Amino acid sequence: KAGVTQTPRYLIKTRGQQVTLSCSPISGHRSVSWYQQTPGQGLQFLFEYFSETQRNKGNFPGRFSGRQFSNSRSEMNVSTLELGDSALYLCASSLRESPYNEQFFGPGTRLTVL
Amino acid sequence: KQEVTQIPAALSVPEGENLVLNCSFTDSAIYNLQWFRQDPGKGLTSLLLIQSSQREQTSGRLNASLDKSSGRSTLYIAASQPGDSATYLCAVRKDGYSGGGADGLTFGKGTHLIIQP
Repeated sequence: KAGVTQTPRYLIKTRGQQVTLSCSPISGHRSVSWYQQTPGQGLQFLFEYFSETQRNKGNFPGRFSGRQFSNSRSEMNVSTLELGDSALYLCASSLRESPYNEQFFGPGTRLTVL
Repeated sequence: KQEVTQIPAALSVPEGENLVLNCSFTDSAIYNLQWFRQDPGKGLTSLLLIQSSQREQTSGRLNASLDKSSGRSTLYIAASQPGDSATYLCAVRKDGYSGGGADGLTFGKGTHLIIQP
């Protein structure tokens, strides 16, 4: 069974640009969450989607947005990139919306903002 | 606000030793606690999930315990091997509050573990 996949694996952008990251959950999983990992702040929750609806949102500015499609695949978008947005962006999937479910993470997308 | 602390931040031990990693959290209203490992530059691998009603979970050489009332969890690794070298992260899923359901996972900063051959 394939795990969570994320594309692209690496991205280099310049300040002011926007970027879209993609995540495909484990087959059959319907909930997708996004996290940002930086050396200073560690792992921080961005948002969670289930049935194409955002269910929870972390404490990030509105430049960070996401969506989920009917096949459960998800994308996140960051507009007007800042240097501080350089990070590893991780996607996690779980079977259902229930908070009791185990979360499985993908390999991440490494974003570098110059 | 939920805060998760992991002690020690780094640990280096010779191969074959048994070891314990610690995790504490400030708010005991959690759904569950999950332990992960992360290899350099990689994503997270789930090791063990403990629901709030459980006391421990075991998988192979790994055993995780949970004391929800005191806000603590430990990850015990038996007979450590060089392949166990990684960063170990614990994360809690905080119980939801009105209007929003459960938050995402709140992570500790991790314990960087090195097993010397």
